[in-house]
Amino acid sequence: GAGVSQSPRYKVAKRGQDVALRCDPISGHVSLFWYQQALGQGPEFLTYFQNEAQLDKSGLPSDRFFAERPEGSVSTLKIQRTQQEDSAVYLCASSPGQGLGYTFGSGTRLTVV
Amino acid sequence: GIQVEQSPPDLILQEGANSTLRCNFSDSVNNLQWFHQNPWGQLINLFYIPSGTKQNGRLSATTVATERYSLLYISSSQTTDSGVYFCAVPADRGSTLGRLYFGRGTQLTVWP
Repeated sequence: GAGVSQSPRYKVAKRGQDVALRCDPISGHVSLFWYQQALGQGPEFLTYFQNEAQLDKSGLPSDRFFAERPEGSVSTLKIQRTQQEDSAVYLCASSPGQGLGYTFGSGTRLTVV
Repeated sequence: GIQVEQSPPDLILQEGANSTLRCNFSDSVNNLQWFHQNPWGQLINLFYIPSGTKQNGRLSATTVATERYSLLYISSSQTTDSGVYFCAVPADRGSTLGRLYFGRGTQLTVWP
């Protein structure tokens, strides 16, 4: 597609509920990143894929967070048993590689109540 | 990890004014990017500037890698320039791939 598409745009979850956030990267982009942005802060790295391989997941805050990209294209970030501190905007970015051409999606704003 | 500090945290300008945003980083890097996050949350890459100076219309950026800082210049500001400006550097200074460290951003508000 023309850009990075994320869905849903907004998500309200009750505490303890599981959520799944979707990212459709730009076609052909091999690198895909997830970031978490709390209110008033800069984005913080969560995890990174190159094609279907998850090369770095060191930013995932707990084992409740899980990401996958099974066919090297669409990626899903899953959060189990959501807690209030998970409330944030979750940003996805893709890149053709070599650190160039980062393109971010508009994000999913998750609110846990 | 690498520390990225941005200043000022907030900037309020009248349309037509010029401004300079600063980004300091704690370690040598081989890549630095400036982003603009518009009021709708979209992060747009402005510059990829590991060193030297680049210009794009009313915006220009300079990175002095040896002194570990970068500057973003906005001339003749417009209301559409409002938003948050972030600089970001890669976590692995030996690579241009992988995770980025972002600063906390400069919130720019331009009034008509």
